[in-house]
Amino acid sequence: GAVVSQHPSRVICKSGTSVKIECRSLDFQATTMFWYRQFPKQSLMLMATSNEGSKATYEQGVEKDKFLINHASLTLSTLTVTSAHPEDSSFYICSARNGDTFSSYNSPLHFGNGTRLTVT
Amino acid sequence: SQKIEQNSEALNIQEGKTATLTCNYTNYSPAYLQWYRQDPGRGPVFLLLIRENEKEKRKERLKVTFDTTLKQSLFHITASQPADSATYLCALGRNNNDMRFGAGTRLTVKP
Repeated sequence: GAVVSQHPSRVICKSGTSVKIECRSLDFQATTMFWYRQFPKQSLMLMATSNEGSKATYEQGVEKDKFLINHASLTLSTLTVTSAHPEDSSFYICSARNGDTFSSYNSPLHFGNGTRLTVT
Repeated sequence: SQKIEQNSEALNIQEGKTATLTCNYTNYSPAYLQWYRQDPGRGPVFLLLIRENEKEKRKERLKVTFDTTLKQSLFHITASQPADSATYLCALGRNNNDMRFGAGTRLTVKP
């Protein structure tokens, strides 16, 4: 159980276009999902916390107008990279916890398999 | 500022030996610590959780220790196998939205 599906796994786009990445919890409800960016041989960098039915909380230094997050339902969060540039090329990963905020604060994160974005 | 350091970028060991990975942290008081395994091009997979009031946790061939005085966690894989080759990440947290990851240690187990 507790499967998170992320789509697409790879995407190549031209500079200036927008790309949407979907993150779905398949067998549980996730009121909160997390979006990360990972560079080669580096740590997962938390970009934002996606909250169902409300605005996302962005980490310092992450442009909210550049990385649009929508958490429209308890099982789906989307990250849209707007007007992508080559420097946005990276590995983007989403995660979610199985359970509500207060009862599961230290429970494991379930990750999607990531999206490799290449902007040409 | 908070810092999470995993002992080395890469660790090579012989099959059958015990692999020991280190996670050190500074300027932070985590309530819990988790270890994840990440294979190339994939998302991390949860392995073990240890809370601040626990000294040691075991799961099959895995063992984790947590020393809040030393601000360190050790992650051991006994009787290591080539299939254990992956990157291992430690993650520290205090509450639901405050979880930070180390950069990971890439373990290679040679047959």
